[in-house]
Formats: sequence, structure tokens, C-alpha cells
Amino acid sequence: GENVEQHPSTLSVQEGDSAVIKCTYSDSASNYFPWYKQELGKRPQLIIDIRSNVGEKKDQRIAVTLNKTAKHFSLHITETQPEDSAVYFCAASILRRSNDYKLSFGAGTTVTVRA
Amino acid sequence: EAQVTQNPRYLITVTGKKLTVTCSQNMNHEYMSWYRQDPGLGLRQIYYSMNVEVTDKGDVPEGYKVSRKEKRNFPLILESPSPNQTSLYFCASSPPGGWNQPQHFGDGTRLSIL
Repeated sequence: GENVEQHPSTLSVQEGDSAVIKCTYSDSASNYFPWYKQELGKRPQLIIDIRSNVGEKKDQRIAVTLNKTAKHFSLHITETQPEDSAVYFCAASILRRSNDYKLSFGAGTTVTVRA
Repeated sequence: EAQVTQNPRYLITVTGKKLTVTCSQNMNHEYMSWYRQDPGLGLRQIYYSMNVEVTDKGDVPEGYKVSRKEKRNFPLILESPSPNQTSLYFCASSPPGGWNQPQHFGDGTRLSIL
């Protein structure tokens, strides 16, 4: 989406290493930042999300950090496993008009975990 | 089981032949949305609906129509499909709070317009 930039577009990591994906957004009113994982041929599924009143959130091997001042947020996957191979999308809620937001997605990062 | 169901899953058709992709959710969600997914572009919103009889354009609405006559259904209509509408389409729903809540996606519909 034009309001959310995601990097890198592809990421190859050795099994057991960490993977980091970064996203930036432009709307200072954004307050919800989800991450979706899409396995090949499957639907996107929410893996973690963070709201603007929180700086960091962790769920087992997955963590998300948010820097509202700099308008960027990141996904961290530790101890990567082959099943982490997928396309990951970040998203940010963008204010469309008064009290009406939309969810704007990044272009996606294809993560490949090498055995 | 809570789910969003899209039909058909795959469709190959020809330019100009009207088609409808159905979407139904059983979670009593108010918010529903259609996205298209294209390589390198992520998910782009086509249309969305905040409730019955309330619909609005997303980022890429040209060539599409929607309707929301019932809370559970949100069909996507291509009146005169063209090859540039060849894409992977996802329907999604979310509970009250809309876009600030997790989206539940359907399994996707792959459309090929020849």
C-alpha cells in the first residue's frame, strides 16, 4: 500500500537464525499495526498485532516493536524454523476520514528458512 | 467453526462476461471487505462495508461493484471483467472496531480473465 512501506521484499535465513522485517508508515494517526503470515496457496492469517499505546509485544518466538516517533514497526522471528517460510505482510490503520480507518498493507516479504 | 467462505475458489472466464464472487461469514461481523492481491503490491482494498446497506470504495474500486443486503453476505461483482482484473481476491470480515481489529480472511478466489 502507498501508505506502508515494507523491507526487505525477500529474506533468506539459515534455520535457527533470526529474521527481521521492517515497515514504515506515514499517518501519525495510525494506531493499529498487525502482521499477517501467508503460506503458499493459503489465506493471510494474523500472527501478532500491536497498538499504539504499546512499544513491544512478544508471543513465543515472534515479537513486534513499534516506534511511533519514527513511524516504524518491525517483526522479529527468533530461532527460525522451516515452517516459518512464508510471505509476511505488515499493515497499519490509516485514517480515512473522521473515525473511519482503513487497513493499509505493505507489499510483503517472502521469507525462506534454509535447512 | 468460525469462517469466511468464498466461492468459487478458481475461475477462468473471458472478457466482458459478468461474474460474481460470493462471500459469506458466520461470525456476525459488521465489517467486511474485499482485497485483491497482486505480486509486489500486497493486499489492496477494493470495497468495504461497515454494515448492512453501507458500502464504500477502497483504494482500487474501478470495475467492481458490491452489495450488502444481509449482514453475512458481501458479494463482489465484475460487470464486465477485463484482463487487468486477473488476480487473487480475498474477502475478509472483522468484529466491531473494524479496521482496528484482526481481519478474518477467506481462502481466496483466483480469477483469470482471458
